[in-house]
Amino acid sequence: DQQVKQNSPSLSVQEGRISILNCDYTNSMFDYFLWYKKYPAEGPTFLISISSIKDKNEDGRFTVFLNKSAKHLSLHIVPSQPGDSAVYFCAASARNDYKLSFGAGTTVTVRA
Amino acid sequence: DSGVTQTPKHLITATGQRVTLRCSPRSGDLSVYWYQQSLDQGLQFLIQYYNGEERAKGNILERFSAQQFPDLHSELNLSSLELGDSALYFCASSAAQGYGYTFGSGTRLTVV
Repeated sequence: DQQVKQNSPSLSVQEGRISILNCDYTNSMFDYFLWYKKYPAEGPTFLISISSIKDKNEDGRFTVFLNKSAKHLSLHIVPSQPGDSAVYFCAASARNDYKLSFGAGTTVTVRA
Repeated sequence: DSGVTQTPKHLITATGQRVTLRCSPRSGDLSVYWYQQSLDQGLQFLIQYYNGEERAKGNILERFSAQQFPDLHSELNLSSLELGDSALYFCASSAAQGYGYTFGSGTRLTVV
């Protein structure tokens, strides 16, 4: 049972434009959300996170938005750069439960 | 180099065989997590160890087992292998039972 869903398997965006990645979750116990980035032949690396007490967290070009009522979060990358081409995983965890539930990932391709 | 070392990087074996995947966590990290990524799937949590003790179990098959040794390295044993066990197996570590996962680059297992 996939508790974290990324319904767009791929996204193509032009360099300099905004990339918007979406993620939905079903478990109302989730209270911490993370985005990981993965390049080929490497493990996922942490990108940005957000706690359920917030609705927005920003780190440089990356912003994560959380809509708890809709059980939806999104990652905005502005502006998109060629080095952002990678697979992005959404992940979530419940309080005091440190295992992460991951989505299937979205492959982002930034075109020059 | 993330500091989490996984060996081997690639493994090809026949159905019915048994393999051992090894993970050395980042220096100082006490928690080790194992995840499986099958084709087009997100990372599925298998098992967590903290300072030598099993702390959480996910959808890990009975044919699979793991342990964490006194030097904190961990091994994931997969037996009676089936074609469907072909996947990327990731190990991650964290300092405590926290969200600051650091992933290794994974072991790609191919069962033929």
